[in-house]
Amino acid sequence: GENVGLHLPTLSVQEGDNSIINCAYSNSASDYFIWYKQESGKGPQFIIDIRSNMDKRQGQRVTVLLNKTVKHLSLQIAATQPGDSAVYFCAETPPSYGKLTFGQGTILTVHP
Amino acid sequence: SQTIHQWPATLVQPVGSPLSLECTVEGTSNPNLYWYRQAAGRGLQLLFYSVGIGQISSEVPQNLSASRPQDRQFILSSKKLLLSDSGFYLCAWSRDSGYTFGSGTRLTVV
Repeated sequence: GENVGLHLPTLSVQEGDNSIINCAYSNSASDYFIWYKQESGKGPQFIIDIRSNMDKRQGQRVTVLLNKTVKHLSLQIAATQPGDSAVYFCAETPPSYGKLTFGQGTILTVHP
Repeated sequence: SQTIHQWPATLVQPVGSPLSLECTVEGTSNPNLYWYRQAAGRGLQLLFYSVGIGQISSEVPQNLSASRPQDRQFILSSKKLLLSDSGFYLCAWSRDSGYTFGSGTRLTVV
């Protein structure tokens, strides 16, 4: 479900480190997953997506891993930069692009 | 290309006043439309979604309502705002693949 009532967890890293952000999803019927980046005062921006028939997908500096057995998603950011500082949300949706349900979110802070 | 417009960007309203936030989508037809709310430091909560004109599904009981008078127009309303309605309101659309969010409206009820 949506953990909208909880304060967001935080992750602090040094510039150049790799970051791993984790997310547990709730609906075993979900077959499409998205990672979003949200900067302060802005709407969520698409980062990368993955379908349930895959367990890994790579983009530019980002990799998403999907473990359907334990209903877990992770976002790996390589060589993290200060501009990566933001809140990161995972989101899931069932087949046919039904309503998008967001995970809790993680605040990533990158120190120069 | 598809774009989504949401306005106003910021709004300060007194308790008990009405609300109308508008969202429009361009460059597509028959999109699924969504209203989300985000309290400060919190995640995104789905408020309403619509799969077609006049079709509105409410996710949580609340002081707000939504309407879809046209295919690419989604309106969030309230007759009397409460302090707890303060937050960041986001409109989004989806069709065939992916979801795109608007830039959001920051509502402060005073």
